[in-house]
Order: sequence, then structure tokens, then C-alpha cells
Amino acid sequence: DTAVSQTPKYLVTQMGNDKSIKCEQNLGHDTMYWYKQDSKKFLKIMFSYNNKELIINETVPNRFSPKSPDKAHLNLHINSLELGDSAVYFCASSQTLAGVGEQYFGPGTRLTVT
Amino acid sequence: SQQGEEDPQALSIQEGENATMNCSYKTSINNLQWYRQNSGRGLVHLILIRSNEREKHSGRLRVTLDTSKKSSSLLITASRAADTASYFCATAHNTDKLIFGTGTRLQVFP
Repeated sequence: DTAVSQTPKYLVTQMGNDKSIKCEQNLGHDTMYWYKQDSKKFLKIMFSYNNKELIINETVPNRFSPKSPDKAHLNLHINSLELGDSAVYFCASSQTLAGVGEQYFGPGTRLTVT
Repeated sequence: SQQGEEDPQALSIQEGENATMNCSYKTSINNLQWYRQNSGRGLVHLILIRSNEREKHSGRLRVTLDTSKKSSSLLITASRAADTASYFCATAHNTDKLIFGTGTRLQVFP
């Protein structure tokens, strides 16, 4: 019954590798997001998609590439991982656009790059 | 930066006491939202207050909004140990995105 799910929950990898994080929502929402939360708990928007269309790309390095195969899924692929990519990545969804209503968050993926 | 500032950064209280945390922001908003994050978990939406509203209640939560001062406060009454979490305000300045504050870590001791 999980509303927003992410896999994997933990990801440990070495610098230079490529990895993906998957996100699915079963709420029927139109908009999905990726956020990055750093070690100081700052939460920053990375991308948002509305009906599979990219709405926001917040000056994220192009090593990060989101893909939305359908409204219910938003995956994040990261190329050439760097130490600074270590963080917790959250997927979220909302019924409409971000500034209108509440967002529902997934449990997070803790990425550790060594 | 548009990021909201929360105050205090950390707050420790005893069960039964009230907890108040504040959020200030810099530019005009459409709405302001409060979220809770338990350790190691995702954020959970608590309450949304629109720019034309001044106060909102939900159970033991009371949120106020002062757009002239660009600030909001979240009051948790009769706190419980289970309220221990980080609390974030998030401001919507247009329809595109939410800007999250720096968070307040609340510790409620039994």
C-alpha cells in the first residue's frame, strides 16, 4: 500500500560508477520530483516532471538524468559518480504542480560514494 | 537564496510541554507548508496555509502566517515523545516548486 516507493533504500558504490534509483507512485498524481538532502539536512529540488514532461531542472550536473517512462514512474540515473553525490535522494509526488498542494515523499535512497 | 530560515535549529522539551518553531522567508508566497521528517524516513506533510490565511489548526498543530513579516510559526501543543522529529517549512513562490527551510530538530523527552 506504499504511496511513493523507491529502490534501492541504500546504495554504496565507488567513484566513477553509474547507478540508477527507481521511484514509483500509486497515488495517480500528475507531478513527480527528485530532491537531494545533504548531510546538513538541506533539502533541495533537483527535477520535477508533470505528465512525463520535464518542468524543473535546477542546475543539476548533466551527469544526472531523470527519466519518466509514464506518469507513475520517475527514475534517476547518475553517471560517473563523485564523492559529492553522497546524500539521501528523495522522490516525491503531488496531485498538481508543486506550488499548489502537498507533496508525498518516498522513504529515500541513501547513496554513499567511496 | 530563497531558502527559508527556521528557528530554533534545535529544541528540547519535556512531554506535555508546547513546542514552537518559526520560519522566515524572503519573497512573497502562494502558500506555506510544514512537513515532519522522522530519523531515516521521508518527509510527511502536516499542514498547508495559503497566503490569504492567518491561522490554521490540525489536531494538536497550530500554524500562523504573517505575510507582512514574511514569517510563520508551528505550535505543537501537549507534545509527546513520538513528536520527536525534524520539522521543515516549505514555501511556494510560484506553481513550479517548493523551497524548503533549514529545519528544526525537535527532541521530546518522556
